[in-house]
Amino acid sequence: SQTIHQWPATLVQPVGSPLSLECTVEGTSNPNLYWYRQAAGRGLQLLFYSVGIGQISSEVPQNLSASRPQDRQFILSSKKLLLSDSGFYLCAGGQGWTGELFFGEGSRLTVL
Amino acid sequence: GQQVMQIPQYQHVQEGEDFTTYCNSSTTLSNIQWYKQRPGGHPVFLIQLVKSGEVKKQKRLTFQFGEAKKNSSLHITATQTTDVGTYFCAGGGNTNAGKSTFGDGTTLTVKP
Repeated sequence: SQTIHQWPATLVQPVGSPLSLECTVEGTSNPNLYWYRQAAGRGLQLLFYSVGIGQISSEVPQNLSASRPQDRQFILSSKKLLLSDSGFYLCAGGQGWTGELFFGEGSRLTVL
Repeated sequence: GQQVMQIPQYQHVQEGEDFTTYCNSSTTLSNIQWYKQRPGGHPVFLIQLVKSGEVKKQKRLTFQFGEAKKNSSLHITATQTTDVGTYFCAGGGNTNAGKSTFGDGTTLTVKP
């Protein structure tokens, strides 16, 4: 199985500041990688997914971007945060068509 | 697009009572996964169902996949306080990258 490392665990950022959340994967190569956002008491909204280095697909229009500079590294970024960007961000990894996802421990972002 | 509805949103039970959460998809699914998220934690994979009419058991948990592959259920027999958390279903479509659509989850609380 694979292990997802994600950081930072929590952060509080002012509106208009930049953001960088990082995720790395252990235990597998060439994983599919995902960024999800979870609003309080809600399900998981898929933001981005990647099937390989440099390949990013965006699921929803937003103030965020993602990059995959290395096979097992996935980064979520923003140039200027909005209040609505607050939430719990989860990085996940999966292999091919199996559907099973391994999640990182999440990053709780509060934008003030 | 694919939508996955999950009911109920909340369920409060007395310890020892049974619990069931239901998941319904607007489209036929290739597979369905179930995850558990403890309060403050991240989703953890429980199981995946692939075959029409499939039933799988994990100790007190029983998972079913409907004949039409559009619905699924998770049943917990004789709940324990350790069962508390939010249970999510995630339906896999037939697209690439193994993308799954998550339901909004059912949050279970167990009164001792």
